[in-house]
Amino acid sequence: AQSVTQPDIHITVSEGASLELRCNYSYGATPYLFWYVQSPGQGLQLLLKYFSGDTLVQGIKGFEAEFKRSQSSFNLRKPSVHWSDAAEYFCAVGDTGGFKTIFGAGTRLFVKA
Amino acid sequence: DGGITQSPKYLFRKEGQNVTLSCEQNLNHDAMYWYRQDPGQGLRLIYYSQIVNDFQKGDIAEGYSVSREKKESFPLTVTSAQKNPTAFYLCASTPSAQGRGQPQHFGDGTRLSIL
Repeated sequence: AQSVTQPDIHITVSEGASLELRCNYSYGATPYLFWYVQSPGQGLQLLLKYFSGDTLVQGIKGFEAEFKRSQSSFNLRKPSVHWSDAAEYFCAVGDTGGFKTIFGAGTRLFVKA
Repeated sequence: DGGITQSPKYLFRKEGQNVTLSCEQNLNHDAMYWYRQDPGQGLRLIYYSQIVNDFQKGDIAEGYSVSREKKESFPLTVTSAQKNPTAFYLCASTPSAQGRGQPQHFGDGTRLSIL
């Protein structure tokens, strides 16, 4: 069965520092991968997605993610974090059934001044 | 702008009471989904609907019911059989039911609490 693991429950970074959020997936074929962001009390917003092709994917708000098949990873990165990036981040994989999405447990990002 | 509207934003339920959460979309999407979110557990799928008048149970359907009488509407009823309903509920949609590469569009959620 497909699964998504986000090893870090929460991460704290200083404003202006770089960020990397980890995501590992379990999937038999080429995965469809997503990163979403959720601000408190709101729904999820898509940051970026990977289907095929270039393994480095650019998203909104200055985020990027790199697909590494050999490591079954899809880590999210940002070179310089802003205070407004504080939120919860979810990695997700498209289910083989075609219409479901499997979400990780999320990583909460705290940004300190 | 097109989007998904969930109402109410906050809802309180008394013991033994059924409550209904509203989800309306004007994106002309075929597929709609209901998720439950609890701290540290990510999103868990309750029900999904690929087309009008059809819906399927997700991973945690017990104690919940849905209907899909119109394309734009997918209400969720939390019944008295759901013993631990306190959670954040999210409604989502995708353009069609086919294609696992479709990202989901989300509403802003309803927070349900027990009185």
